[in-house]
Amino acid sequence: QKEVEQDPGPLSVPEGAIVSLNCTYSNSAFQYFMWYRQYSRKGPELLMYTYSSGNKEDGRFTAQVDKSSKYISLFIRDSQPSDSATYLCAMSANRGGADGLTFGKGTHLIIQP
Amino acid sequence: ETGVTQSPTHLIKTRGQQVTLRCSSQSGHNTVSWYQQALGQGPQFIFQYYREEENGRGNFPPRFSGLQFPNYSSELNVNALELDDSALYLCASSLQGGLSPLHFGNGTRLTVT
Repeated sequence: QKEVEQDPGPLSVPEGAIVSLNCTYSNSAFQYFMWYRQYSRKGPELLMYTYSSGNKEDGRFTAQVDKSSKYISLFIRDSQPSDSATYLCAMSANRGGADGLTFGKGTHLIIQP
Repeated sequence: ETGVTQSPTHLIKTRGQQVTLRCSSQSGHNTVSWYQQALGQGPQFIFQYYREEENGRGNFPPRFSGLQFPNYSSELNVNALELDDSALYLCASSLQGGLSPLHFGNGTRLTVT
């Protein structure tokens, strides 16, 4: 079993729909949770950064962390064609990041105009 | 604010050769991390440098080595290249300590033939 599981997709939804992306993990030491967006031929771009359990909202994006279930989610409201990209979840146990981030494989999202 | 820049953008090498990849940190960031991203996979942590010393390492062999310079720029060196080293190599910078997320460059695409 991999430390972080993420459905690679592709996930195809119509423009304007609410998108739900998620990851499960096995390491209970993880405390810091991130979502990155990666366009083709580009580096990952940080979208959301949360600590421990709870919700965080930023514009059209909402991140949820449920540490008891080892499950994290990213919701995208009013999805746009420009949201089409690969979404990577990432997590770490310590604050300084010296143990590195553990990433999921990424979910390829397609927003149909 | 200057983001993370990496050079070169693309590189083709032959098995057994050595390669050096370069990275300039985002302005004000003193910590550099390197990741390897194979096609269709999430990034994997190689190592992190802080104050010109390696302070964290993932599951990569010693032929992967690095340097960090006083201006916080960094190099990744890979010796005795293997076909499986073909990947996108990503550099990320951050602030050590504190709740500091990683900011990635657009990577160097390495092909080993």
